[in-house]
Amino acid sequence: DQQVKQNSPSLSVQEGRISILNCDYTNSMFDYFLWYKKYPAEGPTFLISISSIKDKNEDGRFTVFLNKSAKHLSLHIVPSQPGDSAVYFCAASEAGGYQKVTFGIGTKLQVIP
Amino acid sequence: DSGVTQTPKHLITATGQRVTLRCSPRSGDLSVYWYQQSLDQGLQFLIQYYNGEERAKGNILERFSAQQFPDLHSELNLSSLELGDSALYFCASSSSGVADTQYFGPGTRLTVL
Repeated sequence: DQQVKQNSPSLSVQEGRISILNCDYTNSMFDYFLWYKKYPAEGPTFLISISSIKDKNEDGRFTVFLNKSAKHLSLHIVPSQPGDSAVYFCAASEAGGYQKVTFGIGTKLQVIP
Repeated sequence: DSGVTQTPKHLITATGQRVTLRCSPRSGDLSVYWYQQSLDQGLQFLIQYYNGEERAKGNILERFSAQQFPDLHSELNLSSLELGDSALYFCASSSSGVADTQYFGPGTRLTVL
């Protein structure tokens, strides 16, 4: 039962353009959402997060949008750079303290120079 | 470098055997998480420890067990290994037990032949 779904296994974007990575979730108890980036042969690295009380969070070139009614979030990268080429994982956790984080299967982003 | 160390980096063993994976969290982090990433799968949460106590359990098989020691390092024990246990095993740590940022180690690649 995939509670966090990343339906696009891969995405190719030209350098300088916008990359949009999408994530859907089914568990209405999720209230904290995170994006992680993973390079080959390395562990995932935290990128950006958003609480359910917000609908947008921005950090430099990275912006996460949350649409609670649609149970959908997206990560925008503007402008995309070749160094952004990696696998991006969407993750979510429930409210109330010590809760596990549920990850999606990831989307592989390739930024073409 | 996330500050989380995992040993060994690679492990090749045979079916039916038992192995131990080790994780040292970032200095000061009290929480340790274990994840399994099989081929084309997302990160599957296995188990979380906080300051020596089990806090949350995911899809961890009965053949697998973990513990967190007083010095906060953690070990994941996998026994009666099967071919399907071949995967990347990640350890992550965080300062608290709540779903804040987790810092991942580089992973241990387990191959069961």
